[in-house]
Amino acid sequence: DIQMTQSPSSLSASVGDRVTITCQASQDISRYLNWYQQKPGKAPKLLLYDASNLEIGVPSRFSGSGSGTDFTFTISSLQPEDFATYFCQQYDSLPRTFGQGTKVDIK
Amino acid sequence: QAHLEQSGAEVKKPGASVKISCKASGYTFIAYEIHWLRQAPGQRLEWMGWIKPRNGDTGYSQNVQGRVTITRDTSTSTAYMELRGLRRADTAVYYCARDLGPYDCWGQGTLVTVSS
Repeated sequence: DIQMTQSPSSLSASVGDRVTITCQASQDISRYLNWYQQKPGKAPKLLLYDASNLEIGVPSRFSGSGSGTDFTFTISSLQPEDFATYFCQQYDSLPRTFGQGTKVDIK
Repeated sequence: QAHLEQSGAEVKKPGASVKISCKASGYTFIAYEIHWLRQAPGQRLEWMGWIKPRNGDTGYSQNVQGRVTITRDTSTSTAYMELRGLRRADTAVYYCARDLGPYDCWGQGTLVTVSS
């Protein structure tokens, strides 16, 4: 199974801050990497697919980059509605695997 | 607009079985795989298996293989996930999701609590 290691596991930030999260795969997954947002008690929401493609309707302050084993997710200017947990997911092979999540809370 | 509606929360005793439904609407059910995932308290999401609604083909995670069966009813655009031999460690929120590679549409989640 491909292991997905995300960091940090949590961070505190203020509205307007730039936030960066990294995700590392245990083997080459090309660009088969997605990013999701999850709020308490809710299902995950797809934000970015194929490492850097913005899902329809997702604000442009969210972005992603990377390929192979190393990926980055960025929120350029944190908004109040962005306080949530974010996680990466690979779909290069089965079983699909997920990062452990990064909880973004208010500083 | 695609939508997945799951059945309600369940409380089960160890050793029992649970069957969760996932009804699709707003798109052609047989066109996309449905995957099942679960999230135990404080844990990362875990992939459980998939079904291809068009022909019923399935695949399962080794972690639950032998205890899980995924089926579908194309007449009602509904997928089902049955988990047998429940253990306390199976306590989790279970999700179905439409697979486009990314999971672009998720059910609302079904909490399954396993407790004696």
